[in-house]
Amino acid sequence: EAGVAQSPRYKIIEKRQSVAFWCNPISGHATLYWYQQILGQGPKLLIQFQNNGVVDDSQLPKDRFSAERLKGVDSTLKIQPAKLEDSAVYLCASSLEMNTEAFFGQGTRLTVV
Amino acid sequence: GDSVTQMEGPVTLSEEAFLTINCTYTATGYPSLFWYVQYPGEGLQLLLKATKADDKGSNKGFEATYRKETTSFHLEKGSVQVSDSAVYFCALSDASGTYKYIFGTGTRLKVLA
Repeated sequence: EAGVAQSPRYKIIEKRQSVAFWCNPISGHATLYWYQQILGQGPKLLIQFQNNGVVDDSQLPKDRFSAERLKGVDSTLKIQPAKLEDSAVYLCASSLEMNTEAFFGQGTRLTVV
Repeated sequence: GDSVTQMEGPVTLSEEAFLTINCTYTATGYPSLFWYVQYPGEGLQLLLKATKADDKGSNKGFEATYRKETTSFHLEKGSVQVSDSAVYFCALSDASGTYKYIFGTGTRLKVLA
């Protein structure tokens, strides 16, 4: 079974630029999560989708971050404009349904300079 | 809100030593509890889980028991190996409706040969 795919693996951008990350969840998984993991900290949920609807985006900085999950499959997370403090690993995860095991991708490491 | 507290690392042990990593949680309702492991350069992998009080999760020689009375889910292994060197994250799945995962800050384990 293929796992959660994320791209790119690494990205370096200058502050105030924009960036987008892509996630392809495990086939058939209805729930998709985006997490931000700052160095030395645990992952923090940014947004959770159930199919193509948003379940929780309470910690998403909506003035600069946006995410979509068209057709309830792939998802894109965008940052515009980026700030230095956005440097982190962005993790995508999916689960068959809510309250079932979440499987994580390898993440995208973003460095903002 | 719900939260997870882990013992701070790094934890350095000799091979074949006994491992305990403490984890306590604060939650409303009855969350599911998880330990995830992150090996260098890799994504998060589920190590074990427990879904109700007094359940014991186990995998690869690791085990943890869901203790509701002490709100704890401590990770233990009787004899660690060099290959166990990684960062370990305790997490809960919020039982209030969205089932989002809330992570602790992680504990780095280094096992010396």
